[in-house]
Amino acid sequence: NAGVTQTPKFQVLKTGQSMTLQCAQDMNHNSMYWYRQDPGMGLRLIYYSASEGTTDKGEVPNGYNVSRLNKREFSLRLESAAPSQTSVYFCASSGDRPIVSGANVLTFGAGSRLTVL
Amino acid sequence: QKEVEQNSGPLSVPEGAIASLNCTYSDRGSQSFFWYRQYSGKSPELIMSIYSNGDKEDGRFTAQLNKASQYVSLLIRDSQPSDSATYLCAGKENSGYSTLTFGKGTMLLVSP
Repeated sequence: NAGVTQTPKFQVLKTGQSMTLQCAQDMNHNSMYWYRQDPGMGLRLIYYSASEGTTDKGEVPNGYNVSRLNKREFSLRLESAAPSQTSVYFCASSGDRPIVSGANVLTFGAGSRLTVL
Repeated sequence: QKEVEQNSGPLSVPEGAIASLNCTYSDRGSQSFFWYRQYSGKSPELIMSIYSNGDKEDGRFTAQLNKASQYVSLLIRDSQPSDSATYLCAGKENSGYSTLTFGKGTMLLVSP
């Protein structure tokens, strides 16, 4: 029962390099999310995908792109990394409980720690 | 702008005491609230959710919601050192599709 799997767990980049963070979930969830977490800033939503084939910007999308490859996989790409993108990145997914219940429980991956020099 | 506010702490309590964690929110459209626990270096995990005014109890944890005051709290009874973590409050609307808005978290330290 893997849940949400993120790779890589750690990555060091130089300014201007590109990389893709991979995320996969095996819970048959429709919705997937990418967050970043910085000290004192809490969790901030970068992009999300409410269903396969759709993506939307969150609170801090600049400098990132995403791809919802299929229902299981949602990747986050940094085209030209900047030191300001040094952070811990979390992928999450959620199921489609009835809206009336208000349930939208997020299950998080283990996180990817990215350092941009 | 939807905001969820939490005191960053740290909140220090002795073992066996009641820890009280508080959260306020600005968006009256927010109807569902969640408490996540995050140990240092780990990912957040859901510990409580609450949708209706009043109290909801689960073991040593009690979540309280007051929509009129836009206030959510989490009480941890008989606090244990293993409860030492950062607690994240999050809220969302019930209508349509909406995403969670997280607070910045409160660090709780339980001393033996």
